[in-house]
Amino acid sequence: AQKITQTQPGMFVQEKEAVTLDCTYDTSDQSYGLFWYKQPSSGEMIFLIYQGSYDEQNATEGRYSLNFQKARKSANLVISASQLGDSAMYFCAMREGPNTGNQFYFGTGTSLTVIP
Amino acid sequence: NAGVTQTPKFQVLKTGQSMTLQCAQDMNHEYMSWYRQDPGMGLRLIHYSVGAGITDQGEVPNGYNVSRSTTEDFPLRLLSAAPSQTSVYFCASRPAGTGNYEQYFGPGTRLTVT
Repeated sequence: AQKITQTQPGMFVQEKEAVTLDCTYDTSDQSYGLFWYKQPSSGEMIFLIYQGSYDEQNATEGRYSLNFQKARKSANLVISASQLGDSAMYFCAMREGPNTGNQFYFGTGTSLTVIP
Repeated sequence: NAGVTQTPKFQVLKTGQSMTLQCAQDMNHEYMSWYRQDPGMGLRLIHYSVGAGITDQGEVPNGYNVSRSTTEDFPLRLLSAAPSQTSVYFCASRPAGTGNYEQYFGPGTRLTVT
């Protein structure tokens, strides 16, 4: 079974609008971490935001927020006020707990295009 | 700090050739990993290391070897290159522990096997 599922291969959003990128995960660990990375066309991986499995509040970092719904095992990324520079691939990732070696698993990514 | 460095940036190999992709980090991170990125498949873990002298297999280890003789370096060896190994390879490092420890990625190596 896939550990991380991103069901949106491509998304479009109008500049200045908000957009939600979906991510669901699968783990039996109680302790795990969820991450979002951005990969622009230049290829580097840029860390955006982190949510721990025990964190009560949804994580926020500037225009990025993570909508964490633990019971549904979802960790959607919300980008507010989209900018042209947000056009990129976005990857959801999970770090499982120490019982499973603290390994990272990545989803297949969502390609976001911001339209002027 | 240079962060995570990878060499080379680009490489073309013929089928059957061997080579080593270099990875180094200067952040004293315990954990280091190698991923390959293929279109539509995200990043898949090849091998990882939790410290000098300790390595383990990830999701797609076949055809690759690693060693970790120092904290800083984590080279990836292709023993006999195959066209299926054409990919972009990323090295990453992070501190040990289960907190907000993001992975720091190198710039990647684009490998083509003909």
